[in-house]
Formats: sequence, structure tokens, C-alpha cells
Amino acid sequence: EAQVTQNPRYLITVTGKKLTVTCSQNMNHEYMSWYRQDPGLGLRQIYYSMNVEVTDKGDVPEGYKVSRKEKRNFPLILESPSPNQTSLYFCASSSNRGRSYEQYFGPGTRLTVT
Amino acid sequence: KQEVTQIPAALSVPEGENLVLNCSFTDSAIYNLQWFRQDPGKGLTSLLLIQSSQREQTSGRLNASLDKSSGRSTLYIAASQPGDSATYLCAVSLFTGNQFYFGTGTSLTVIP
Repeated sequence: EAQVTQNPRYLITVTGKKLTVTCSQNMNHEYMSWYRQDPGLGLRQIYYSMNVEVTDKGDVPEGYKVSRKEKRNFPLILESPSPNQTSLYFCASSSNRGRSYEQYFGPGTRLTVT
Repeated sequence: KQEVTQIPAALSVPEGENLVLNCSFTDSAIYNLQWFRQDPGKGLTSLLLIQSSQREQTSGRLNASLDKSSGRSTLYIAASQPGDSATYLCAVSLFTGNQFYFGTGTSLTVIP
């Protein structure tokens, strides 16, 4: 089944404790993105990657890091999480096959930083 | 910077009604526009994607239109059902196709 998976689905952590949220897709998509969703603000793009070893900042990259060492994986790293990073995080992938860039989303990771 | 607006923020209709959800964007230089459905606590499910060269797409009871020049898209839902209750989001991508901007969504409730 074609899908985007994220782990963990739920995470409660403390300020300053480094964490990684994993994202994997099995559709051989070139493009992957991370978003955060906050009430009243909608989804905002954190980082995106156009292919292996190619990443770029989205609208809200501060406090986050990403890497794309393999095509299928795009982990999101919070080196020193703060309470304002409490949010619902989504990973997405897309492809330019057919020139459509239709996005497929993972199930989300709810992060709470205390 | 691209701004995407969805009005209304919430909508409640009786079952069986036809309805229209609106999405507007400030920069017409888009690559595509995608409509999503989000159920509470869940991820986003893609409903329809319209490329910039297209004017509409249809899937079952759903029809999405795009007017790039005026910066507008509509999602038409025919014969609404309680199962259609969800939040509907639209997103536009820039000409590169990999930077996406989302609206804040319309929360739809279909009353049986």
C-alpha cells in the first residue's frame, strides 16, 4: 500500500531534550516536506526536500533541522525543543511524474513540549 | 508571500444540500491547487488537484474549479451527507511545485 508513515504518533518531552520524528514514504517520490499545524494558523511548511541531499527552508524553519540521506526518509530533528514547538506535525511527499506534484500526507505526530 | 484564505471558517448544512466552499489566494503565479479533507485528529486526504492550466476537476460528488486570474477556487459538494463532515483545506503551490501554502480551512458539519 502506498503510504507515508511517521513515528512516533504522539510524543511528550521536556524543554531542551533533543528529539527526532521519522518520516518514510514507499512511493519513490522525489519531494518531501514537513509541516506544522496550529489552531488559527493552519499548516505551515517547515522544510522541504527536492531530492537526496537537497533541502530548503519553508516558512517556519527556526528551531528545526532536516536531512535527506535516502530518498524514502526525511527525518525532522528538534535539537533543543521549546514549548512553542508544541504542535501537530505532518510529513508529506509528492512527485513531478505527470507534472502534478500531488501531495500525500502522513498521519501526523502530536508533539507536546513541557 | 502567498496568502490563502478560506471563507467561511465554519459551515453547517442539512443533509442533501449542495454546497460551495471557497478558497482565494493572493498570487496568481501558482503551479497547482489541491483540496484536502481532514477528519479530527487525523491526517490530510487528497480530494482533488487542479493544475494551473486546468479550470476544473471532478471526482464523484465533488467538483473543484480554478480561476487563476481572479485568485479563486471553489469546491462544490453535491447532495451532502453526514459522512462529509470534516475540515476542508485548500493548498496552492508555487511555480516550482514544491512550496505549498495552505488556507486555514472550512469546518463543515452536515446535519442528518
